Amino acid sequence: GAVVSQHPSRVICKSGTSVKIECRSLDFQATTMFWYRQFPKQSLMLMATSNEGSKATYEQGVEKDKFLINHASLTLSTLTVTSAHPEDSSFYICSARGFMGEAFFGQGTRLTVV
Amino acid sequence: DQQVKQNSPSLSVQEGRISILNCDYTNSMFDYFLWYKKYPAEGPTFLISISSIKDKNEDGRFTVFLNKSAKHLSLHIVPSQPGDSAVYFCAATYFGNEKLTFGTGTRLTIIP
Repeated sequence: GAVVSQHPSRVICKSGTSVKIECRSLDFQATTMFWYRQFPKQSLMLMATSNEGSKATYEQGVEKDKFLINHASLTLSTLTVTSAHPEDSSFYICSARGFMGEAFFGQGTRLTVV
Repeated sequence: DQQVKQNSPSLSVQEGRISILNCDYTNSMFDYFLWYKKYPAEGPTFLISISSIKDKNEDGRFTVFLNKSAKHLSLHIVPSQPGDSAVYFCAATYFGNEKLTFGTGTRLTIIP
């Protein structure tokens, strides 16, 4: 199946700093990628839809200025958590849709803000 | 508004037996359903999907059943193996919608 690579898998940062997470589709072009956040023992919550060459579409309640999304090419989308706070600590996952409609997910990024 | 529900947060099954995971949905527009398996600190892995034009889809040990009138789908794993222990999410979408709506997940534990 298609492969989506996410980097880094783990990151620890200080409060107030910014962190960038990369999501790459390795063997297919993804015009649309999705960013999710998962809290412990909860479902995957869609944060935003990343569209190549245009602005991301954010879900209700997600701060656009805090979670910056850039989809610069058909194989790369980035999520930048700006001015991170401890409450931003979470598991972030990206995905891209394949040709048959199934979503392939990255490995996820565990963000810890101290 | 939880449009996709997995009412059992956890399930324990003896190795070799059948595991049945259930999922209910409320949105009549959904016409494509997927099951994902997730280990801790990893992204979900696609398992199997089903379109609303079918009521059953099989892939090896995994079978998904869809009951459109009841808005219910289930994932059967047989025989269950220890490596099947994980959290399983069902997800739903519809033609023209790029987003997937996920259920809350069911933690499956296979007892050796």
